[in-house]
Amino acid sequence: GAVVSQHPSWVICKSGTSVKIECRSLDFQATTMFWYRQFPKQSLMLMATSNEGSKATYEQGVEKDKFLINHASLTLSTLTVTSAHPEDSSFYICSARDYRAPSYNSPLHFGNGTRLTVT
Amino acid sequence: DAKTTQPPSMDCAEGRAANLPCNHSTISGNEYVYWYRQIHSQGPQYIIHGLKNNETNEMASLIITEDRKSSTLILPHATLRDTAVYYCILGGGANNLFFGTGTRLTVIP
Repeated sequence: GAVVSQHPSWVICKSGTSVKIECRSLDFQATTMFWYRQFPKQSLMLMATSNEGSKATYEQGVEKDKFLINHASLTLSTLTVTSAHPEDSSFYICSARDYRAPSYNSPLHFGNGTRLTVT
Repeated sequence: DAKTTQPPSMDCAEGRAANLPCNHSTISGNEYVYWYRQIHSQGPQYIIHGLKNNETNEMASLIITEDRKSSTLILPHATLRDTAVYYCILGGGANNLFFGTGTRLTVIP
């Protein structure tokens, strides 16, 4: 089956530093990847849509200068949390769909998430 | 993003069938019903999806009512490892999926 790999699975960083999270599709290619954030005991919230070769699309209320997204290839998207603060501590999850599959009738495949703790 | 309604929690005895309901009365004609589950501290796992016919795979069965306003996910023989939050999501047209609050299923030994 389709596999999405996220790295790292967890990271602890100091306030003010930046953290990069990688999302890779291992056995398929994806022109679009999605980044979600999940706070404790809450559901997943879509942060942004990452588009290969073009700018990401951010959801309302998500700061694009703080959460930098790069989608340089059909198998890799990165999310960089810049100048992280404790309130950015969360579970970040990426997802992707095989670009050959119709979006209306094919599942999204999710990574296993990255737990970010900012001290 | 169309809305779905699920009970916040359910219990099921180990070995019994778990039937998880979902209401989606505003579903439109081209929207599929997707089910995912999330085990604690992991990413969501795809289970099954369907449009209007009932579907079955190695994990579960999906029963969609004729008017498509509701559906039921059936885990035929629940195990302890099926304890998770189950999300019923409508997808189609839009590229991404919007998650509601889901149903927290607890399988009891």
